[in-house]
Amino acid sequence: GAVVSQHPSRVICKSGTSVKIECRSLDFQATTMFWYRQFPKQSLMLMATSNEGSKATYEQGVEKDKFLINHASLTLSTLTVTSAHPEDSSFYICSARHSKNEKLFFGSGTQLSVL
Amino acid sequence: DQQVKQNSPSLSVQEGRISILNCDYTNSMFDYFLWYKKYPAEGPTFLISISSIKDKNEDGRFTVFLNKSAKHLSLHIVPSQPGDSAVYFCAATSGSGTYKYIFGTGTRLKVLA
Repeated sequence: GAVVSQHPSRVICKSGTSVKIECRSLDFQATTMFWYRQFPKQSLMLMATSNEGSKATYEQGVEKDKFLINHASLTLSTLTVTSAHPEDSSFYICSARHSKNEKLFFGSGTQLSVL
Repeated sequence: DQQVKQNSPSLSVQEGRISILNCDYTNSMFDYFLWYKKYPAEGPTFLISISSIKDKNEDGRFTVFLNKSAKHLSLHIVPSQPGDSAVYFCAATSGSGTYKYIFGTGTRLKVLA
């Protein structure tokens, strides 16, 4: 089956630093990737939609200067949390839409802890 | 405003019995619904879906029922197996082609051997 690799799985950083999370579709092309965050005991909340070669579309309330998304190729999207603060601590997960069968496949997520 | 709700955070079922997971939604524009299964430290994996033009979709041990008038869907697993123990998320979309899925908060299913 289609595999989405998300890296790193866990990151701890100091307040004020930036963290980059990668999302790769390993055996398929993904024209669209999605980034979500999940707080404990809450649902996956869509943050932004990332289309290859164009600017990401952010959901209401998500700061695009804070969460930089780059989708430079059909197999890679990155989310950079800039100047991270403790309130950015969360579980971040990506999904990739298969360009042929249009199904969504999820990465395994990244647990970000900002000290 | 939580548009997709899973009111039961957890459910325990004996092996071999039926598991019923419920999901309610508020947005009448939703016309496509999905169930995902998630194991710890893994991403959600697709389980089964249903379009609003249907009221039932079956795939092996998994059946999803949709009641549009009640804005309610349910996932039935029968017979339940210990390997089914996971967190189950329902998701909904308006099918506008954007694939913007709205997820519920999840229900943790534990199947007891």
